[in-house]
Amino acid sequence: ETGVTQTPRHLVMGMTNKKSLKCEQHLGHNAMYWYKQSAKKPLELMFVYNFKEQTENNSVPSRFSPECPNSSHLFLHLHTLQPEDSALYLCASSHLGDGYTFGSGTRLTVV
Amino acid sequence: GENVEQHPSTLSVQEGDSAVIKCTYSDSASNYFPWYKQELGKGPQLIIDIRSNVGEKKDQRIAVTLNKTAKHFSLHITETQPEDSAVYFCAASESGAGSYQLTFGKGTKLSVIP
Repeated sequence: ETGVTQTPRHLVMGMTNKKSLKCEQHLGHNAMYWYKQSAKKPLELMFVYNFKEQTENNSVPSRFSPECPNSSHLFLHLHTLQPEDSALYLCASSHLGDGYTFGSGTRLTVV
Repeated sequence: GENVEQHPSTLSVQEGDSAVIKCTYSDSASNYFPWYKQELGKGPQLIIDIRSNVGEKKDQRIAVTLNKTAKHFSLHITETQPEDSAVYFCAASESGAGSYQLTFGKGTKLSVIP
């Protein structure tokens, strides 16, 4: 257990479904991140939240919608996804932009 | 923006040998360089990091070196063991300047052969 908990660990959803990924940290970190990890690609930064405020949105399609209700919780709401969105979605947190602590990820399969 | 190149993409070594993974970065303002290890089914875990005010850092069998002039940094694992088999990622950022974004390399899959 790293201190960053992601649920669910695995998710299979149809292209018309709506689902949410959850991330929780109790490390006292002030920044939280969503990353996408696909086979043979670098880790792709999706969103950054600093003290609950979104500071980065790396041209992510609107079918991905983040939510950060407080500095300990981060959600990624998913709707009308495509098969190419299948990947491992990683949440991370950090203090003042230093070393990240990652969760174990949610393995998403879009069918 | 920052660009991080990592080599090799795959590396196989005999148990007990050393392994070296190299990364280069493009932004001279970057001053924080962490390394992550990702085992199958898990998220990346920070194993060692170095800041630009030092040239080398060691932690038991793991060491990282940094050459700021050449803008490259390396991970050295000595006396490799089968449990060192994993994917390793380097990263770079301008820590403390309000930037909260790490830029990652593409990863190196290390296999330690017993």
